[in-house]
Amino acid sequence: QVQLQESGPGLVKPSDTLSLTCLVSGGSITSYYWSWIRQPPGKGLEWIGYIYYTGSTRYNPSLKGRVTFSLDRSRNQFSLNLTSVTPADTAVYYCARGPNYDILTSYYSEFDYWGQGALVTVSS
Amino acid sequence: NFMLTQPHSVSESPGKTLTISCTRSSGSIASSYVQWYQQRPGSSPTTVIYEDNQIASGVPDRFSGSIDSSSNSASLTISGLKTEDEADYYCQSYDNTSWFFGGGTKLTVL
Repeated sequence: QVQLQESGPGLVKPSDTLSLTCLVSGGSITSYYWSWIRQPPGKGLEWIGYIYYTGSTRYNPSLKGRVTFSLDRSRNQFSLNLTSVTPADTAVYYCARGPNYDILTSYYSEFDYWGQGALVTVSS
Repeated sequence: NFMLTQPHSVSESPGKTLTISCTRSSGSIASSYVQWYQQRPGSSPTTVIYEDNQIASGVPDRFSGSIDSSSNSASLTISGLKTEDEADYYCQSYDNTSWFFGGGTKLTVL
């Protein structure tokens, strides 16, 4: 059973960089897309972006170049850096496997495994 | 870019059937798969429906999904409602720029 676990600081100061790591266990990071998704307290879900196991990335344009992903295949983990944070970046940050890709249809599908989420508060 | 619009909240009695809608603001609903996720308080989202109408593993067949090109929307239908179905439900899809979630629908079974 694939499991994902986020780790990182729970409190970040405004204008600093938010950094989180997602450790994948029970399966290889190879051949899949891996995403970060966040959820502000009491609000809905927002896709931040994905990184493919090859290292290629796609980010949500709304984050305006503040986000960077990296991946460490030897450690089976991937990471998120979000710069110049403000209180609006306060959220539970989830890592997830996906979007899954259907080779036959060329369509993307679900985020099928999620971490438990890490609450990150941006405050001085 | 597009938006996925869901009702903010719905409620129904146990044993009844209920449908949650998800309307795509632009572009065809059929141009990319729609997924539905269930999120209980304090928990991570889990898939209930993927690829428009496929039931995720372990999800009871009381759940079903569909898309309707005429209304450019997707629907999640839950029959034989149980109190354990109380949760937030999110639809999700994508275009060539980004992945999008609906705002979520809070389901109350009373």
